[in-house]
This record gives sequence, C-alpha cells and structure tokens, in this order.
Amino acid sequence: GENVEQHPSTLSVQEGDSAVIKCTYSDSASNYFPWYKQELGKRPQLIIDIRSNVGEKKDQRIAVTLNKTAKHFSLHITETQPEDSAVYFCAATRGGGYQKVTFGTGTKLQVIP
Amino acid sequence: GAVVSQHPSWVICKSGTSVKIECRSLDFQATTMFWYRQFPKQSLMLMATSNEGSKATYEQGVEKDKFLINHASLTLSTLTVTSAHPEDSSFYICSADRTGSGETQYFGPGTRLLVL
Repeated sequence: GENVEQHPSTLSVQEGDSAVIKCTYSDSASNYFPWYKQELGKRPQLIIDIRSNVGEKKDQRIAVTLNKTAKHFSLHITETQPEDSAVYFCAATRGGGYQKVTFGTGTKLQVIP
Repeated sequence: GAVVSQHPSWVICKSGTSVKIECRSLDFQATTMFWYRQFPKQSLMLMATSNEGSKATYEQGVEKDKFLINHASLTLSTLTVTSAHPEDSSFYICSADRTGSGETQYFGPGTRLLVL
C-alpha cells in the first residue's frame, strides 16, 4: 500500500518568512496529492491540491510542487501570517473509484508574530 | 462547498457501553465515506471505508466487530464503538467522497470520545 512521509514534524517561522513542508510517497500509481490544514480541534480543510500531470500549482501565497520521478511533493507558504499557524497534512491517492487517501504524519506550523 | 456533519460532537461514556457516531453528507450523496481516528498530535489513521449498501472495508489491525459501520443510505454512515474501553478514547472523523473521483474528500467536524 501507499506510504507517505512528511517532514518536518514541527516548523517555526517568523511572520513574513516562507515555510516549506516536504512529503514523499511510495506508490508510483498515486496521481492526486491534496494538502490539508487542520486547526486545533477542527476538521481538516483542503487548501490546495495537485495532480500528477502538473509540476506546480499556485494559489495566492500557497504553492505546491510535484516531482513524479523522485516521488516527492512540497507545500510552500510565502509571507506567512499568524493565522497560518496550524497542522498541515499532505496526502496521496490513486484517485478514481473511491480510492482511499493516505495521509502524511503532519507538520505543526507556528508563525511567530 | 460540500457539507459533512457529525453527531455527536463529543461524548463521554462508561467503559463497556456502546457509542454510535453519525456522519451525514448534507448537500450531496456519498456512495463512499471514510472513518478516521486521530490521536492527539498525530495524523489521521484510516479505520475503514464505508460503502453504501455493502459491507465496510476495514484497514489492517482494525477490529470489525469492535467498530461496526453501517452505511444504510447515500447520506448517512454510522460508526458504533462497541464495548468501549478507555483506550478507545480518541477523535473520530469521517469524510465523504463527493464526486466518486477518489480525490475530493470533505471532512466532518469530528467526534471526541472519552471513555471513563
């Protein structure tokens, strides 16, 4: 089955700096990679996703890159703000036919004002 | 966006009792729903895939007789923790696949279970 590793487990940055979270996956058949943000005690919320036919995707201050050959993908947050503080999970799935999603172990991001 | 609800949001029960958690898709039909368990400061661990009209598919190490799943309609899946013990205390979250693409997961708000 799929195995997703995520690093770092915790990340502290100064407000305004950039944050990068990296994930690797094992199943070469995985073709959809979502990123979720989970605030304390709340549900995970999808913030950005990328499909295997795309190398990079950007949405305002958030971007995701994918290297299929190396089987790794990264989340980039620029100009971080205190409200970006949360736990971020990467995930991977084959998609199609109600395939299950495998989550990374999570990164706790703290943005220091 | 799509809305998924869970009920109850939190529950405290005595050891040995059973607890039922409901997961509903409010504005879409979901043939498939997923049940996760999350321990403090840890990731989401998939417990089982709930399939409408058929048996759930459990992940390795999850006791199907302990965690009963019923997906009786296209908008409702239930997870029953039978004979709950303190080690079952956790945060349980469901998600629903809106499009059937295996991609778009909408999560419920979660249920915090405390077994005394």
